[in-house]
Amino acid sequence: GAGVSQSPRYKVAKRGQDVALRCDPISGHVSLFWYQQALGQGPEFLTYFQNEAQLDKSGLPSDRFFAERPEGSVSTLKIQRTQQEDSAVYLCASSLMRRGVTGELFFGEGSRLTVL
Amino acid sequence: SQQGEEDPQALSIQEGENATMNCSYKTSINNLQWYRQNSGRGLVHLILIRSNEREKHSGRLRVTLDTSKKSSSLLITASRAADTASYFCATDGPSFGNEKLTFGTGTRLTIIP
Repeated sequence: GAGVSQSPRYKVAKRGQDVALRCDPISGHVSLFWYQQALGQGPEFLTYFQNEAQLDKSGLPSDRFFAERPEGSVSTLKIQRTQQEDSAVYLCASSLMRRGVTGELFFGEGSRLTVL
Repeated sequence: SQQGEEDPQALSIQEGENATMNCSYKTSINNLQWYRQNSGRGLVHLILIRSNEREKHSGRLRVTLDTSKKSSSLLITASRAADTASYFCATDGPSFGNEKLTFGTGTRLTIIP
């Protein structure tokens, strides 16, 4: 596709519900990142995939957060038993770069999650 | 945790003036990047500077990097209303192969027409 696509753009969940956020990276991009951005703050790293391998999940705030990229393309970030502190914008980014080579990230528009 | 701290947190200038934003970071880096974010949108890459470079230009953007002071600055010349956005610096490293970017807290820039 032309850019990184995220869905849904907006999600309202009741506390305790499970949510799934989808990311469609740019075709051919090897690396995929998830970031969490609270209001007025910079993005905070959650997790990183190279193809289907999850190489770094050190930023996931709790075991309620789970990410997958089973075929090395589309990725899903799942949050179980949502809490109010999970309210944030979840940004997905992809990159051509491979391990050991830094390059620019291409970001999607984000999924804004509000937990009531 | 935030690696970089941008300064100032907010900046308002008249259209046509130059805007300067600063970024400080804590650990050694391989590269430093600057991104722009319009309200409610994703981040857009502006420029990347490597740790062995001191200055880089791209159009109306000028970035400097001082690794001894662990700081970088972004200069936008001849500002336009469309430059209104938040600007973030992002660093990778310190170890080679650490690809994740760590973002700063951002500078909110407002250009007054």
